[in-house]
Amino acid sequence: RKEVEQDPGPFNVPEGATVAFNCTYSNSASQSFFWYRQDCRKEPKLLMSVYSSGNEDGRFTAQLNRASQYISLLIRDSKLSDSATYLCVVTPFSGGYNKLIFGAGTRLAVHP
Amino acid sequence: EPEVTQTPSHQVTQMGQEVILRCVPISNHLYFYWYRQILGQKVEFLVSFYNNEISEKSEIFDDQFSVERPDGSNFTLKIRSTKLEDSAMYFCASSQGQVQETQYFGPGTRLLVL
Repeated sequence: RKEVEQDPGPFNVPEGATVAFNCTYSNSASQSFFWYRQDCRKEPKLLMSVYSSGNEDGRFTAQLNRASQYISLLIRDSKLSDSATYLCVVTPFSGGYNKLIFGAGTRLAVHP
Repeated sequence: EPEVTQTPSHQVTQMGQEVILRCVPISNHLYFYWYRQILGQKVEFLVSFYNNEISEKSEIFDDQFSVERPDGSNFTLKIRSTKLEDSAMYFCASSQGQVQETQYFGPGTRLLVL
């Protein structure tokens, strides 16, 4: 089983749509959770951390369900600039040096 | 805003040659990482580095790979004898430290082994 699994997409949505991405992780001891964004041929950039209580940053809402080992990202009012690949990322343990384990990403294409 | 820089942006080399990829992490960061991404695949962890030594390395990081922080600012990844399958984008990242500290990625070096 893959450590982090995501639906590869692509999700093709019109501007203004709401879109949701899901992710599951296999290691129940995973400590930290993130959504990164990666534009074509660019480096991953942190979109937001994901907390157990759920958290929101503008149009973006992230949820974590530890019991189900499931992470979600909701994007409201999609913009053309949201077109990118969204990477679900976990860390396997707590500690100073912490490797990131990436999912393969979900591609989002927002069209006019 | 401080950022991680990497040089070169692109490198083409012949199979069997040595390459050195260079990174300048953010200046007050203590933890350094290399990741790679083969075209069309996911980002994979290679190695983490703290206090002038390797903290953890993945199965990919075999004896052909080494890392060094030669002068307190640069962080390098050396591949001694490149193989075709080493062709990938290599990302350097750094973080200030401790759990949940954000890792900031450099723009990457695209390595092509012919």
